[in-house]
This record gives sequence, C-alpha cells and structure tokens, in this order.
Amino acid sequence: DVKVTQSSRYLVKRTGEKVFLECVQDMDHENMFWYRQDPGLGLRLIYFSYDVKMKEKGDIPEGYSVSREKKERFSLILESASTNQTSMYLCASAHQGDNQPQHFGDGTRLSIL
Amino acid sequence: AQSVTQLDSQVPVFEEAPVELRCNYSSSVSVYLFWYVQYPNQGLQLLLKYLSGSTLVESINGFEAEFNKSQTSFHLRKPSVHISDTAEYFCAVRLRNRDDKIIFGKGTRLHILP
Repeated sequence: DVKVTQSSRYLVKRTGEKVFLECVQDMDHENMFWYRQDPGLGLRLIYFSYDVKMKEKGDIPEGYSVSREKKERFSLILESASTNQTSMYLCASAHQGDNQPQHFGDGTRLSIL
Repeated sequence: AQSVTQLDSQVPVFEEAPVELRCNYSSSVSVYLFWYVQYPNQGLQLLLKYLSGSTLVESINGFEAEFNKSQTSFHLRKPSVHISDTAEYFCAVRLRNRDDKIIFGKGTRLHILP
C-alpha cells in the first residue's frame, strides 16, 4: 500500500512564526502536492512538484513556499504564519501520467494563535 | 477552464436507504473522473475512478458511479447505506493528456440517520 506520511497530526503555532509541514511518501512517486482544506471551500491547491527541485504554484500560493530536495519528501513552509492560515493541510502524491490518482496523507490540523 | 460542481453540501439519509451524490463537471477536453472519500479525522482515499471503457464503475464497498458524457455528470450511488458510510465525498476531474493538477469539488457530507 502507498504510504503518505505527514509529520504532525496537530500543530499549534504563534503569529509570525516560521512553520514547516513535512510530507514523505514511500512509493517513488514523481508528483507531490500540498492542499489546504476549509469548511465550505473544499480542497484548494497551494503548490505542487513534478520532480526534485521543481515546484509549481497552485491556486493559493500566497504566504507559502515549498521545498523538494529529495524525491520522497515535500515540505510546505509558512514564512510568517498568520491566523488566516489556520486550516487542515493535506499532502498527496501520485505517479506521473494523467490517469494516475493521488494518494493522501492523514492531514495536519494547524492552528495559528 | 474546467470545474467541478457538487450540488449538495450535505445529504442526510436513513440507514439501509439508497443514496445518490451528484457531481457535474465542465471541461472543453476529455477528462478522467474520480470519487474520493474522507472519513472523520483522516485524509482522502480513492473510492473509484473512470478512465475509459465501461461508463459504470464500482468500488469494493458497494458504491458505483456512472459517467454520462452528454450530461457531463459522474453521480455516485449506493443502493443501501450503512452507518460506516458516514464521511465526506469529493468528486474530482483531471484533463486527459495533461499531467498536472486534479480539480476537486467542494465535497458532500453524507449523514447516515439511524
């Protein structure tokens, strides 16, 4: 089975802090994604990556950056956390190929105080 | 640009009753279609997918979805729901020949009433 592991299930940080959310997948997937999930808004894509050191902006990249130094790991960075970034963050990965489904981690519920 | 519309944000249904969760999409090119399920406090799991061939696809837990190209729909159905089906369900589309992002609907929360 594909395993996508997010480093924390719950995280509480303060406004202005730099926050790192880590995601690791064990299936040698080329593509990795970061979403945030908010009630009534569904999933919104923040950033995605096709390969090591490559990144593409999604629909809501403002206030976020990402890092993909190794194929299995995709990090989401909140440079200076703000209260409007309180949300559920979901990481996903997939093989290349347009018919490939995405596999999700269990999510990180992040609260910014 | 493509989009996905899930018409119902919440659907209450009695246990053992049938259910249909509606999904319509908009796209100028051919698409692949997916349904994902999110159980409480978990990430999304793939429920079923339509890639090609038979327009009726089934999951291992009794759900099915039918691709209707003329109506641009991919509704999810189950003839008899169980309390364990309580979850949020997301419809998603991906463009053929475009290896990038999937577009998700806003989700439908299925409430099973005893």
